[in-house]
Amino acid sequence: NAGVTQTPKFQVLKTGQSMTLQCAQDMNHNSMYWYRQDPGMGLRLIYYSASEGTTDKGEVPNGYNVSRLNKREFSLRLESAAPSQTSVYFCASSEGQGASNEKLFFGSGTQLSVL
Amino acid sequence: AQSVTQPDIHITVSEGASLELRCNYSYGATPYLFWYVQSPGQGLQLLLKYFSGDTLVQGIKGFEAEFKRSQSSFNLRKPSVHWSDAAEYFCAVGRRGFQKLVFGTGTRLLVSP
Repeated sequence: NAGVTQTPKFQVLKTGQSMTLQCAQDMNHNSMYWYRQDPGMGLRLIYYSASEGTTDKGEVPNGYNVSRLNKREFSLRLESAAPSQTSVYFCASSEGQGASNEKLFFGSGTQLSVL
Repeated sequence: AQSVTQPDIHITVSEGASLELRCNYSYGATPYLFWYVQSPGQGLQLLLKYFSGDTLVQGIKGFEAEFKRSQSSFNLRKPSVHWSDAAEYFCAVGRRGFQKLVFGTGTRLLVSP
């Protein structure tokens, strides 16, 4: 019963390097989300995908790109990493977009450090 | 604009004692309200949610929360804390889809023996 799986769990990058964070869910959910979590701040939405084939910006999209590869997978790419992108990244999924009977399921996170 | 305030950054409670974590929100209409728990190294897990109806909401792991419209609050409570409850707790508010959900800054709960 995997749920939402994120890889890698930890990553250290140098400024200017690129990388892709992977996320996959096995619950046949339509919607997927990428958040970042910084000390003293709540989770902030980077991008989301309401359904396969669509993506939309969240609160803090600058410096990131996403791809909804298929219904299961939603990746987050940092093209040129900056120290300000040091954070813990969470992927989440939901069946729909937030009806009263739905809930968000979160992965266990990726801790990214940019030096 | 909607916002969520969790005024306590850290709280320490003795095992077996009662717990109340505070959450205040600002929202134009009656919001949907959520409490999530994040154990070390884990993602967030939903404890409970309020959408409408009874203002006292029961959740998992023995937690409950009460929606008080007059105080714009949605405080989380547990009558007897266990050591395994040590975690970070997030309140969230929103109504127009998960993409509009606003999270508080979190309260870290420490449980002392």
